[in-house]
Amino acid sequence: GESVGLHLPTLSVQEGDNSIINCAYSNSASDYFIWYKQESGKGPQFIIDIRSNMDKRQGQRVTVLLNKTVKHLSLQIAATQPGDSAVYFCAPRTGANNLFFGTGTRLTVIP
Amino acid sequence: AAGVIQSPRHLIKEKRETATLKCYPIPRHDTVYWYQQGPGQDPQFLISFYEKMQSDKGSIPDRFSAQQFSDYHSELNMSSLELGDSALYFCASSAGQNTGELFFGEGSRLTVL
Repeated sequence: GESVGLHLPTLSVQEGDNSIINCAYSNSASDYFIWYKQESGKGPQFIIDIRSNMDKRQGQRVTVLLNKTVKHLSLQIAATQPGDSAVYFCAPRTGANNLFFGTGTRLTVIP
Repeated sequence: AAGVIQSPRHLIKEKRETATLKCYPIPRHDTVYWYQQGPGQDPQFLISFYEKMQSDKGSIPDRFSAQQFSDYHSELNMSSLELGDSALYFCASSAGQNTGELFFGEGSRLTVL
């Protein structure tokens, strides 16, 4: 199975600052990674993905960095907004399309 | 755009009762996944189906069963309910396997009393 861990269970940032959420994974065969955002009582929502043949991918206000050597991912959120407050999960995929979620990081944005 | 539809959104059952959750995937999505998320926990993969056949199995208890029907909707049947089964149950769908993003529904909250 996959073991996924996040370095910090909670993260508080000031509105407008940048946020960095880290994630470590254990299975070197993981070939695809997704970051999901989950607001309270709602289903996980796709933020950004990256394949193992890339080390960086940018979206709107978000950037994901992948370091396969140390099996580490990070999600960077630029100019964090109150609406970014949620739990963030990284979900690596190995083989079949089933995603294994690690313990999420709760991001709290302070206005 | 159509999303994954789950029903019921909320369900309250007594111990040892049976519950059935339904999931309607996004149109033209042929793969369905079930996840269980306990309070303060991360989503745990239960089971998945591709083209109406079981594709992969995770930490699904023997008391639970699921299937995918000809119209691609899926049902999760839970019997002999226990207090510990109280959780949010999410269904997700994708177009094919190994195709990337899973689209999640809003979840069904099961409370076992």
